[in-house]
Amino acid sequence: QSALTQPPSASGSPGQSVTISCAGTSSDIGGYDFVSWYQQHPGKAPKLLIYEVSKRPSGVPDRFSGSKSGNTASLTVSGLQAEDEADYYCSSYAGSKYLVFGGGTKLTVL
Amino acid sequence: QITLKESGPTLVKPTQTLTLTCTFSGFSLSTDRVAVGWIRQTPGKALEWLALTCCDDDKRFNPSLKSRLNITQDTSKNVVVLTMTNMDPVDTATYYCAHFPIHGGHRFDYWGQGTLVTVSS
Repeated sequence: QSALTQPPSASGSPGQSVTISCAGTSSDIGGYDFVSWYQQHPGKAPKLLIYEVSKRPSGVPDRFSGSKSGNTASLTVSGLQAEDEADYYCSSYAGSKYLVFGGGTKLTVL
Repeated sequence: QITLKESGPTLVKPTQTLTLTCTFSGFSLSTDRVAVGWIRQTPGKALEWLALTCCDDDKRFNPSLKSRLNITQDTSKNVVVLTMTNMDPVDTATYYCAHFPIHGGHRFDYWGQGTLVTVSS
């Protein structure tokens, strides 16, 4: 069982927005602004999408945005495109446990 | 250009020790403020952080696996080695190594392609 809780699936139509949640505790998400999000297409390695809650690495479209409220982080994908269909994972610094991941959310573009 | 690549056995027997090598380029563990970490992904797709090694050979381990893990680095060869003892079928997973900037968000920003390790007799 993963340390961070994500919904197993999410979906949306092209052009719509979808938000994926990632629930943790005060020992991880709630305690630090070190939440990251990764995108993984089938057969590929994860790719960094968001770090430090809301920062985007160079090359990541601004359709991807991150936020945090209390012990829950969120990833929003705006203007859904077919290529956004993938698995998404959250991660957080967790103090003594150092790094924890969520169980992943499969995003389907309808 | 930062690249990482994992190598090692594809099949190990239960109770054996797994040794995986991460060969990287485009950065230096001895001069850059970066670390190399290992993450695995089970067939059910969950990601699990395993270990991290940094400058000055600083090491961090997942507390739940710490007793079975070791991580070493050879800065002259740009190699990081992960060993995991007493392998079990539940350790069957794809193992990734990844680049981890020390200053900046506790994130893995470059990943290797991964290597699938199956534990079976």
